[in-house]
Parts: sequence; C-alpha cells; structure tokens
Amino acid sequence: DAKTTQPPSMDCAEGRAANLPCNHSTISGNEYVYWYRQIHSQGPQYIIHGLKNNETNEMASLIITEDRKSSTLILPHATLRDTAVYYCIVRPRQGNKLVFGAGTILRVKS
Amino acid sequence: DGGITQSPKYLFRKEGQNVTLSCEQNLNHDAMYWYRQDPGQGLRLIYYSQIVNDFQKGDIAEGYSVSREKKESFPLTVTSAQKNPTAFYLCASSRGVSSYEQYFGPGTRLTVT
Repeated sequence: DAKTTQPPSMDCAEGRAANLPCNHSTISGNEYVYWYRQIHSQGPQYIIHGLKNNETNEMASLIITEDRKSSTLILPHATLRDTAVYYCIVRPRQGNKLVFGAGTILRVKS
Repeated sequence: DGGITQSPKYLFRKEGQNVTLSCEQNLNHDAMYWYRQDPGQGLRLIYYSQIVNDFQKGDIAEGYSVSREKKESFPLTVTSAQKNPTAFYLCASSRGVSSYEQYFGPGTRLTVT
C-alpha cells in the first residue's frame, strides 16, 4: 500500500475553507485516495474518496493532482464541529484494508 | 436505525484475564474488522472477516482471537497473551471486498491494570 504524508496539525477560522493536503507520491494506478476523520474518542467517519477525478459530496471536496501524487481535502465552510483528526488513506480498489497514519489534527477556531 | 454497536464503552480488567469485546452490526454487511488505536496514533488492523465462518489476521493479531458465527456479530477476545492490551478498540464493517467505505462503531476503551 502506498504511504501518505500529512502535516501534523492545522488551524482554520470558523466559516472559512479548510484545505488539508496529503502527499502520496508512490500511489499506483489502481489505488484510490480516501479521507476519514475522527472526532475525539469516537470511531472514524468516512468523508470522501476518489481515483483521479475531483469529487464533491455534501461534506467536502477532494482535489487530486493530475499526476495523482498529492491531493487536498476541502471543507468549504468549516465549523467548530469539524475539529477532528483527518486521515488520508490510499488503498487498492479490491482491497478492504485501511492503513491509518497519524493524520492531521484540524482545529477550527471561532 | 442501522449501524454498528460496541459494548461496553469502557471496560476495566485485571492483568491475566481474558476479555471479550462485543461488536454487532445491522447493516447487512458481509465484511467486519477490528482495529486498535493507541494514544496519538492511527488505527492498526487486528483481524478482519469477509464472510461468516472465515477470518484473517491483520497486522497485529498476536494475543487476540475472533469468531464470526453470525453475519451480524464479530466479537474480539483480548487474551492474557497480549502484552499491552490497554487501548481503544474499534470495530468496523463494509459491504464486501469491493465496497468503498468502512463504517465504524463508537469504540470500546479497554484498561488493563
């Protein structure tokens, strides 16, 4: 499985967009990029995933670079409840194993 | 409401005792998983099951055992052989091998003294 690199922490002002970067330079052609988040002492929550096209859902947008070596998760209007650890994960289409790194601690401040 | 339940939320045991953590799902998912999380770290896979009566070791299976007798249930036993059992344990499920997302339960925090 490809390894991912994320900044350990980020701050964001409430109401502003939060842009969380992830590097996955060793990603292979059949591997997807997934994002999960974990609020303190709770189970992780699925946010979004993509292969090579940009994706958007009700929670967030995922921007994947053309060479697929990095991606950015965008929370368009961050709220205090978005404070959490955000995990960027790369996994094969047919594989169910999720490999969680340390993630990025996002602190949304009023 | 469909979802995954884990019980109890907090569990305390004495060293040397086996303890079983419960995980139940009513999502009709075929695959289920157990992860362990230590403070400030990501999740590590202990065991997973893709179908009833079948399960596979994950990255840190030593000192743990599981069973999958029913589709809805995937209990995890932390045995006395597990050297550092104190951790946050998370159960998850997904539709199957080709499904996209895993749904997680609320977790059980196990403390062994």
